[in-house]
Amino acid sequence: GAGVSQSPSNKVTEKGKDVELRCDPISGHTALYWYRQRLGQGLEFLIYFQGNSAPDKSGLPSDRFSAERTGESVSTLTIQRTQQEDSAVYLCASPAGGAFGNGYTFGSGTRLTVV
Amino acid sequence: GQNIDQPTEMTATEGAIVQINCTYQTSGFNGLFWYQQHAGEAPTFLSYNVLDGLEEKGRFSSFLSRSKGYSYLLLKELQMKDSASYLCAVRRGAGSYQLTFGKGTKLSVIP
Repeated sequence: GAGVSQSPSNKVTEKGKDVELRCDPISGHTALYWYRQRLGQGLEFLIYFQGNSAPDKSGLPSDRFSAERTGESVSTLTIQRTQQEDSAVYLCASPAGGAFGNGYTFGSGTRLTVV
Repeated sequence: GQNIDQPTEMTATEGAIVQINCTYQTSGFNGLFWYQQHAGEAPTFLSYNVLDGLEEKGRFSSFLSRSKGYSYLLLKELQMKDSASYLCAVRRGAGSYQLTFGKGTKLSVIP
């Protein structure tokens, strides 16, 4: 598509459950980034995909977090055994077209609430 | 660690000019971005500086001094719709688009 799509837009889950968050990036874009934004905090980098591989997953906070990407398109971020501190907005981004100086196009995010 | 500091909140009057400062101390520097984020929405790209100096884009301008680790975003002729958070972000590595973000400055524009 023309933009970055994320689903679901909102997710409420019980502590200890697993969740899957989906990102469908800009069509044809090989790079894809996941960030999260906790209340009152700046965006935190989680993982970066180039094609289907993840050269940099240094931002994943624990081994409960994992992500994959297939077909150089859709990416899924999985959080296992969710904890309350995982509550945040999870944002996916593609670099905008043209030169890097055009920044990212972000999806509208998934607001995750762990209760 | 990586430090990107910006004021938490600012208030300015409609029609006025406001300057939002950002200082950074990072291991590596390959450009600085400003994003605007309205409440409950995703950030949107405003500006990018990689060389020292001022970049002007309509009512918004952004300045960078690499030697001082300092940037500012200047908003002129403020409008009510400019009420938002403004995020400063640094690209540290040359090999990827990964950004390190500050916590953002919440700007309130009052009549």
